[in-house]
Amino acid sequence: SAVISQKPSRDICQRGTSLTIQCQVDSQVTMMFWYRQQPGQSLTLIATANQGSEATYESGFVIDKFPISRPNLTFSTLTVSNMSPEDSSIYLCSVVFTALYEQYFGPGTRLTVT
Amino acid sequence: DAKTTQPTSMDCAEGRAANLPCNHSTISGNEYVYWYRQIHSQGPQYIIHGLKNNETNEMASLIITEDRKSSTLILPHATLRDTAVYYCIVRVAYYGGSQGNLIFGKGTKLSVKP
Repeated sequence: SAVISQKPSRDICQRGTSLTIQCQVDSQVTMMFWYRQQPGQSLTLIATANQGSEATYESGFVIDKFPISRPNLTFSTLTVSNMSPEDSSIYLCSVVFTALYEQYFGPGTRLTVT
Repeated sequence: DAKTTQPTSMDCAEGRAANLPCNHSTISGNEYVYWYRQIHSQGPQYIIHGLKNNETNEMASLIITEDRKSSTLILPHATLRDTAVYYCIVRVAYYGGSQGNLIFGKGTKLSVKP
């Protein structure tokens, strides 16, 4: 296993502002993902963070709203732009250390938009 | 959509075995069965995975039927700390685009009671 940290752990933001969430892993990973978990719901994949290139977004998620960076093998950021109350969720970073078996999740960032 | 069906909730007495069922009747030959759990306010935690043989690790056992259309996760001696939402997920054994990502359903909320 490895240590996955996210910053901030939680935040309360005003409508119309943006928040950047950081994900740091203590060893190199092959894949990094960002998920969203809305209140009372299961996890939904937002995008795959690709090193050195644009992220691959799932249906319903766009780069203008959720820009993602991954400058190296151990770090990624997710920005939630022009926030509205509907963006209030837990945002989770997830990584894969091998091509086959195990995917690990960070502790999540709890975002509340007022 | 998730490719698995799980009961919404289950109760288990502390110290007894918890048996969590999962149906995945449309599973493909190259798809593995994964189990994760999410304890309240934490990121999902990997438990175990398997292809067709039964698997056991320090956390749990996974029993997969011969036709691979269903499986059971067994927590041999449940404790209060095992109270969580348990997710059964099927996934191909490689990462390519969105095919290799974990798709979460609603899971089973397991309540371990004293």
